[in-house]
Amino acid sequence: NAGVTQTPKFQVLKTGQSMTLQCAQDMNHNSMYWYRQDPGMGLRLIYYSASEGTTDKGEVPNGYNVSRLNKREFSLRLESAAPSQTSVYFCASSTWDRGLIEQYFGPGTRLTVT
Amino acid sequence: GESVGLHLPTLSVQEGDNSIINCAYSNSASDYFIWYKQESGKGPQFIIDIRSNMDKRQGQRVTVLLNKTVKHLSLQIAATQPGDSAVYFCAENNYGQNFVFGPGTRLSVLP
Repeated sequence: NAGVTQTPKFQVLKTGQSMTLQCAQDMNHNSMYWYRQDPGMGLRLIYYSASEGTTDKGEVPNGYNVSRLNKREFSLRLESAAPSQTSVYFCASSTWDRGLIEQYFGPGTRLTVT
Repeated sequence: GESVGLHLPTLSVQEGDNSIINCAYSNSASDYFIWYKQESGKGPQFIIDIRSNMDKRQGQRVTVLLNKTVKHLSLQIAATQPGDSAVYFCAENNYGQNFVFGPGTRLSVLP
């Protein structure tokens, strides 16, 4: 049981390049999330998917797109990277368990845009 | 105090002492709270949670206290160990809406 996995772990892009961050979970969770974390700040929600086939914008969606490929996988795409998107990106998944919401995070992708 | 810009508040404690980390949450309607631990280079790790119908919840070496009157949450770590050094942050949730995360506090354990 690997939990939440993310690839790649590190990436350097030039301004204007595109890339896709991959995320997968093996816990059969319905909900998946993409967050970014900037120095000294809390996690900010980019996009989320409450269930397979649905996606919704979070707090900071501009410059990103997502795809919920199936129940396991949720990818984040940067179409034209900008230096402001330099950050650490975390994928998470969650479920309801006896009324609680357990949210599990992946190890993160550290992205630098030059 | 709360963090501003790039600088997280830091709590330094001696190994073996108790640590208390505080968090002010924003939404009086929030009904579920989680404390996370984040070690350098890793994703956040669940520590303990609490529902709004409780004032206190205990885990192994950790206790969370909730004061809804002043919208305040605290995490107490007993007998702090070097392995407890990390950034700790709270998250609030309102009836299944998305989580809102605090900026975090860095805990530094001194030998």
